[in-house]
Amino acid sequence: AQSVAQPEDQVNVAEGNPLTVKCTYSVSGNPYLFWYVQYPNRGLQFLLKYITGDNLVKGSYGFEAEFNKSQTSFHLKKPSALVSDSALYFCAVRYMNTGFQKLVFGTGTRLLVSP
Amino acid sequence: AAGVIQSPRHLIKEKRETATLKCYPIPRHDTVYWYQQGPGQDPQFLISFYEKMQSDKGSIPDRFSAQQFSDYHSELNMSSLELGDSALYFCASSLGLGEGANTEAFFGQGTRLTVV
Repeated sequence: AQSVAQPEDQVNVAEGNPLTVKCTYSVSGNPYLFWYVQYPNRGLQFLLKYITGDNLVKGSYGFEAEFNKSQTSFHLKKPSALVSDSALYFCAVRYMNTGFQKLVFGTGTRLLVSP
Repeated sequence: AAGVIQSPRHLIKEKRETATLKCYPIPRHDTVYWYQQGPGQDPQFLISFYEKMQSDKGSIPDRFSAQQFSDYHSELNMSSLELGDSALYFCASSLGLGEGANTEAFFGQGTRLTVV
């Protein structure tokens, strides 16, 4: 089955330090991979996507993600974390299913950035 | 820029009542997804529409139904509400569903449904 996995329920990092939020996927064919961020009681906001091309994708708010085909991973990274980055982060994969595209989310990782 | 609009933002219903949630996609977007997110959970896919036709179905209860109208807005109808239906319901829209479509889905702010 097509899926994404986020192995960490929570990631803690100090402000100014680099952060990584992990995501692995299981998709047959070419995956379309996305990262979304969710603040409390808000909708999901798109951060970045990988469709094809460069493995390092840059997105909003200084975030970037590295697509690694051999490891089937798409980890979210930021060189220097901010307290305001504290939120819930979801990895998602979009794939073809019976002629239509389906969007499936991981279980989410809560990022806590301490001052 | 226009975003995905959901209404109402908050809804309180009693058990066994009916609720209707509305979603207005971004202009020109032809695809709508509905998701249910319980407290502390990831969004669970319910159903999607492409060009006014159901394109995929997820874990949507039989008590729920949805449709996409000619103006591309969508409505999620929920009947015989149960306490467990209390959740945040998100609608998302995107452009195209073919293999060549690679645009991201944009989400609305959600409707918080509380069943008492």
